[in-house]
Amino acid sequence: EADIYQTPRYLVIGTGKKITLECSQTMGHDKMYWYQQDPGMELHLIHYSYGVNSTEKGDLSSESTVSRIRTEHFPLTLESARPSHTSQYLCASSDPGDIYGYTFGSGTRLTVV
Amino acid sequence: TQLLEQSPQFLSIQEGENLTVYCNSSSVFSSLQWYRQEPGEGPVLLVTVVTGGEVKKLKRLTFQFGDARKDSSLHITAAQPGDTGLYLCAGVFGNEKLTFGTGTRLTIIP
Repeated sequence: EADIYQTPRYLVIGTGKKITLECSQTMGHDKMYWYQQDPGMELHLIHYSYGVNSTEKGDLSSESTVSRIRTEHFPLTLESARPSHTSQYLCASSDPGDIYGYTFGSGTRLTVV
Repeated sequence: TQLLEQSPQFLSIQEGENLTVYCNSSSVFSSLQWYRQEPGEGPVLLVTVVTGGEVKKLKRLTFQFGDARKDSSLHITAAQPGDTGLYLCAGVFGNEKLTFGTGTRLTIIP
């Protein structure tokens, strides 16, 4: 049973469209993260948040933006999608000490045509 | 950003064989985790190791943390097709965020 949910699972969209990828968790975690991953490759951190109204950019530069208005919700937005944005986007959350590791969602596979 | 190198990058072996994958860094970890990721899913935590020299077992999987806390290994005994996936190590350096390794893609051939 998943405690962190991402929607949609798959999205094919045209260039120039605005999209929002949804991520919600039911564990009450303050820390949440967005990773970008090409198939079978390593994870790249693009955004993270340590609590409501707190967001930071990650190690990999991204044209996306995030918001954290509620603890359980951490959506990612692309204002104008491009083919270079085609990738898998993974959302994760963790407890304060990261003791139990990160819990990941199933991801959104985005294709921009 | 700290770098975690995993080796090998790709590994394909027959069912029933044993294998070891490695995770190395030039810096000392506060703690280290191993994850497995199946196609189309997010990574799932397998184990966390904290103490240098620590060994943990999870059925046929044995995880070892190096004495100096700069490296770790994952050994699988009698590999099965269900072990197929991307194995990721992830380390915490001091109070920094978790840093993921480059990954080992494992394929077990029936």
